[in-house]
Amino acid sequence: EVQLVESGGGLVQPGRSLRLSCTASGFTFGDYAMSWVRQAPGKGLEWVGFIRSKAYGGTTEYAASVKGRFTISRDDSKSIAYLQMNSLKTEDTAVYYCTRDREAFDIWGQGTMVTVSS
Amino acid sequence: EIVLTQSPGTLSLSPGERATLSCRASQSVSSSYLAWYQQKPGQAPRLLIYGASSRATGIPDRFSGSGSGTDFTLTISRLEPEDFAVYYCQQYGSSPVTFGQGTKVEIK
Repeated sequence: EVQLVESGGGLVQPGRSLRLSCTASGFTFGDYAMSWVRQAPGKGLEWVGFIRSKAYGGTTEYAASVKGRFTISRDDSKSIAYLQMNSLKTEDTAVYYCTRDREAFDIWGQGTMVTVSS
Repeated sequence: EIVLTQSPGTLSLSPGERATLSCRASQSVSSSYLAWYQQKPGQAPRLLIYGASSRATGIPDRFSGSGSGTDFTLTISRLEPEDFAVYYCQQYGSSPVTFGQGTKVEIK
């Protein structure tokens, strides 16, 4: 079964860091770009950023709202994508989803909640 | 950045009726890289349509997408009880990827 499972969410104070993981199964992880999308409570979807596959350089792009604070990386040997979030702000509070980037975002994880609060 | 505007904000319909959802882009969407997603409360979004008009795997044929350039439409031919949800359009042809604000389809 093709599946993505996020982990690492939780409560964190403003200014601190958190790393989310996205573990993939059921497909050849290294062949695909992976994106992160977030959804603040009661709000719509916001793209956070993505990482290309190694075949396309493994490069990354980010939304302006997180650029310079968030970093996406991947470990193809473990089929895991990471979202390193630094200098967190209260407005980063959201459910964070990882997605497989193929013909749009065809596979989504269940999401992990990140709450930034003092 | 391409801004996507969805209308209406809420659509109140009865099961069996036809639903027509609109997504308008602030500039032309490259190569019709326009997708539609369905999201139910407490669940992750699910891909319905990609490339403006191609149904994703397992999506019933009552869902159809059309349009090009700046105007796109998602049509649900006959609403089933499980179709009442929020629907988002997304453009993925240029960076940054952007989503519309969503249309809620509710039971009348």
